Amino acid sequence: DIQMTQSPSSLSASVGDRVTITCRASQSISNYLNWCQQKPGKAPKLLIYSASSLQSGVPSRFSGSGSGTDFTLNISSLQPEDFATYYCHQSYIMPWTFGQGTKVEIK
Amino acid sequence: QVQLVQSGAEVKKPGASVKVSCKASGYTFTSHYLHWVRQAPGQGLEWMGRINPNSGGSNSAQKFQGRVTMTRDTSISTAYMDLSNLRSDDTAMYFCARHYCDGGSCPLDSWGQGTLVTVSS
Repeated sequence: DIQMTQSPSSLSASVGDRVTITCRASQSISNYLNWCQQKPGKAPKLLIYSASSLQSGVPSRFSGSGSGTDFTLNISSLQPEDFATYYCHQSYIMPWTFGQGTKVEIK
Repeated sequence: QVQLVQSGAEVKKPGASVKVSCKASGYTFTSHYLHWVRQAPGQGLEWMGRINPNSGGSNSAQKFQGRVTMTRDTSISTAYMDLSNLRSDDTAMYFCARHYCDGGSCPLDSWGQGTLVTVSS
């Protein structure tokens, strides 16, 4: 199975900060990398697919980059509604696998 | 708009089975795979498997093989996930999600609200 490793596991940031979350795959997954956001008690929400494509309706302050094994999710200016847990996951090969999550908390 | 509505919370005893439903609307049910993902309390997301609503064929993670059955009823646009021989560590929120493939990475673009399954004696 492909292992997905996110870093950091958690971070504290202030409104307006730029935030970067990284995700590393244990083998190349081309650009079959997706990012989702989950708030407590809610279902995940797709933010980025194909490593860098913004899902419809998602604010442009979210962006993704990378290919192969190393990927990044950036939030250019953190907003109050962005405090949540973020997961990367690969859809390259089954079983699909998720990173362990990065919790973004208010500083 | 695309909606996935799941069945309500369940409480089961160890060794029992649970069947969770996922009713789709707002799109052609047979055109997109449906996946099942679970999340234990305070933990991350775990992929369980997927079903092709058109053919009924399914794939599951090795961890669940022999215990999970995924089916569908196309007449009511509903998919089902049946998990048998439940253990306490199966206590989790279970989500269904639509696999949207239009080139690219084919992500899970719409999710059900989740069904909490509690396994307790």
